[in-house]
Formats: sequence, structure tokens, C-alpha cells
Amino acid sequence: AQSVAQPEDQVNVAEGNPLTVKCTYSVSGNPYLFWYVQYPNRGLQFLLKYITGDNLVKGSYGFEAEFNKSQTSFHLKKPSALVSDSALYFCAVRDIRDATDKLIFGTGTRLQVFP
Amino acid sequence: DAGVIQSPRHEVTEMGQEVTLRCKPISGHDYLFWYRQTMMRGLELLIYFNNNVPIDDSGMPEDRFSAKMPNASFSTLKIQPSEPRDSAVYFCASTTGTATMPEETQYFGPGTRLLVL
Repeated sequence: AQSVAQPEDQVNVAEGNPLTVKCTYSVSGNPYLFWYVQYPNRGLQFLLKYITGDNLVKGSYGFEAEFNKSQTSFHLKKPSALVSDSALYFCAVRDIRDATDKLIFGTGTRLQVFP
Repeated sequence: DAGVIQSPRHEVTEMGQEVTLRCKPISGHDYLFWYRQTMMRGLELLIYFNNNVPIDDSGMPEDRFSAKMPNASFSTLKIQPSEPRDSAVYFCASTTGTATMPEETQYFGPGTRLLVL
């Protein structure tokens, strides 16, 4: 069965510092991987995805993520954090061989960027 | 495009009452998903539709929950009777795809915050 783990409930970082939000996954086949962000009182917004190709994926708002097949990870990164990046971040996966069309979401990581 | 539209944005009701949540997907999207978000359980997929047909409702918690999609531009999620443990934020999302597989990127509505007293 597919699963996604976000091991950190919260990540705190100072503005201007690099940030990393961790995600590991488990699928039986090859994964489609996604990051979504949720700002307070808003729906989830798509940030970026990995389907195939280059392991380093660039997305919205300066975020990027690196697909690491050997470590089954897809960590979200940004070189310099902004206070406005503070939000709830969700990693999601789908097994491309799975007959279901569902995305499996992680439990979310709250990112807090301090001025 | 206005994006996925959900109504109401907030709903407060009393236990035992019927609650109806509404969703208008992005025009041209043929997949529609209903999710529930709580602190305890995170984001859960309840049901999804393809071309107005329910494909997987295995996430619907109980018979008190039902969902319909009478046409391509409208879906409802109904809870009858409602209970305090149904309090959550309910999201609708839509996407395009082929006949058998949706596009990967889902577009979420702003959610309906439901409180059952």
C-alpha cells in the first residue's frame, strides 16, 4: 500500500536561512510525488511535482524538491526562507501502477519562519 | 477562471440536523474529489467522481454521509444526521484527466468549516 511520512510536525527557521521540510514515501512501483501548501483558512495550493526526469524539481515561490529513489525521499527546500512562507505543507504520493486514482497525503508539517 | 468554488464557507449546526455542502469544480475538469481535514486525522479522501460517476467512496465514514454529482458543474456532500465528531474542514478539489486516469495536479477549493454543536 502507498504511504507518505512527514516526520516533523513543525519546522522552525529564521528568515533568510535555508529551509528543509522532509518527506519519505512508500510505493510498490514508481511514484508520482507532490508538495502542496496550505495558508491559514485557505485550501491547499499546488507547489510542485515529480513525475519523471530530472530529480531536482523547481516549483512556485522559489521552492524546490529533490527526488531520491534510493532513500525514497522527496524533501522540500528553499535557499532563503521568508516570513510569508509560514504555512502548513503537505507531501503526497501516487503509485503510477496503482489502479486507483487517489493521492495519499502526509499528515502535514507546519513551517514557522521567524523574522 | 474562478477556481473551485465551495459554499458555505462556514456552517454551524446542531447535532441531528442535516448539513449540505456544495462544490462547483473548475470548468472542464472531469474529476472531483471530496476531502475532510481534522487535527486528529489530517487530510482524508472521502469520495471522488469521474464524469459525474462515483469511482471510489471507500473513504466515506458512515452511511450518514452521501455525495452526489448531478452534473459536471455541481456536487454536494450531505451529512444526515450530523454529529459533533463531523466537525472538520471539508475540501473539494478538481482536475482533468483521461477516461481512466486523472491529471496529477488537483486544484482545491477554499473549504467549508463545519461545526456541529
